[in-house]
Amino acid sequence: DQQVKQNSPSLSVQEGRISILNCDYTNSMFDYFLWYKKYPAEGPTFLISISSIKDKNEDGRFTVFLNKSAKHLSLHIVPSQPGDSAVYFCAASARSGAGSYQLTFGKGTKLSVIP
Amino acid sequence: AAGVIQSPRHLIKEKRETATLKCYPIPRHDTVYWYQQGPGQDPQFLISFYEKMQSDKGSIPDRFSAQQFSDYHSELNMSSLELGDSALYFCASSLNRGLAGDFRDYEQYFGPGTRLTVT
Repeated sequence: DQQVKQNSPSLSVQEGRISILNCDYTNSMFDYFLWYKKYPAEGPTFLISISSIKDKNEDGRFTVFLNKSAKHLSLHIVPSQPGDSAVYFCAASARSGAGSYQLTFGKGTKLSVIP
Repeated sequence: AAGVIQSPRHLIKEKRETATLKCYPIPRHDTVYWYQQGPGQDPQFLISFYEKMQSDKGSIPDRFSAQQFSDYHSELNMSSLELGDSALYFCASSLNRGLAGDFRDYEQYFGPGTRLTVT
């Protein structure tokens, strides 16, 4: 049962345009959402996050939007750059034990930014 | 800035052998998480430690065990290895500030991973 879903395995975008990566979740207990970027042979790199008490968080070219009622979040990258080409994982978390906030990941979306 | 260190980066073992993976968290981080990522899969949570105590357990096989030491580094011990254990194993660390409403406790920083191949 996939609690975090990224329905688009891949996305191609022209350099300079907007990239929109989508993520849906089913568990209402999730209260924090994170986006990670992953290059081959490297670990996931934390990109941006949002708590359930907000609906938008912005950091430079990256903006994450959260729609709690729809259990949907999206990552916007604008303008997209070739260096943004990577696999993007959506992750969700709920406090599950003393000091533990295990992450539940989606299957990832491979973004290709075409020069 | 110092990152999470994992060793070894690559490991090849035969079936039924044992393996030990090591993780050194970011300095001052007190929480360590282990994840397993199979080919083409998303990372799956295995186990976590907070202040040297196991804090949560996920889909970790009974053949695996882990601990966090006094210097906060962690080791994942894997015995009776099976072909299906071939995967990338990531360690992540975080700092538990313990402040109500401080969502930064949720942010985990990942190491480069150990690629385990079981033949």
